[in-house]
Amino acid sequence: GESVGLHLPTLSVQEGDNSIINCAYSNSASDYFIWYKQESGKGPQFIIDIRSNMDKRQGQRVTVLLNKTVKHLSLQIAATQPGDSAVYFCAENIDSGGSNYKLTFGKGTLLTVNP
Amino acid sequence: DTEVTQTPKHLVMGMTNKKSLKCEQHMGHRAMYWYKQKAKKPPELMFVYSYEKLSINESVPSRFSPECPNSSLLNLHLHALQPEDSALYLCASSQEEGLNNEQFFGPGTRLTVL
Repeated sequence: GESVGLHLPTLSVQEGDNSIINCAYSNSASDYFIWYKQESGKGPQFIIDIRSNMDKRQGQRVTVLLNKTVKHLSLQIAATQPGDSAVYFCAENIDSGGSNYKLTFGKGTLLTVNP
Repeated sequence: DTEVTQTPKHLVMGMTNKKSLKCEQHMGHRAMYWYKQKAKKPPELMFVYSYEKLSINESVPSRFSPECPNSSLLNLHLHALQPEDSALYLCASSQEEGLNNEQFFGPGTRLTVL
């Protein structure tokens, strides 16, 4: 069963502020990374991805930064809105052998946006 | 159509029941996935199907039996489950299995085993 008292990392911000969510990944050979947003009662929703030959990628209000030296990924959300409140997962696509790839998710961060 | 649909949305079953979860996509994707997600935890991969063939089985107990009848459908047959199997079961699909393929997730089936 689950550990009692186990909590997600949390980030609480004011509406309009910028948010930064961090993620450490494990496999230095990972080539592809994705950020997902999961709202309560829903499946994960793709936000943005980045390949290992890049260190930055921008989308609408979101930026992903990749630091391969320290195996660190971050998601920046500009002008955070109440609708951004959700759990955010980073995920790395790992070669599990024989050209089979699997998505491995990080622990997740709960973002709460206060109006 | 750019979504993955899953039925039922909620399922309550006893340990002796047999039930099935269903997943459907009409995006022409050739890879489909089952994940299990416990509360406040990330999704964990269970199975991958590529071109209707089982590609990855993450050492899932045999009481979970996947089936891919065609390229649009993915089922998960459940039998003799345990209470600890209660979780959100997510289906996903992608263009192909492999690197750089974005996975699209369904809303999940919330399963409770009594």
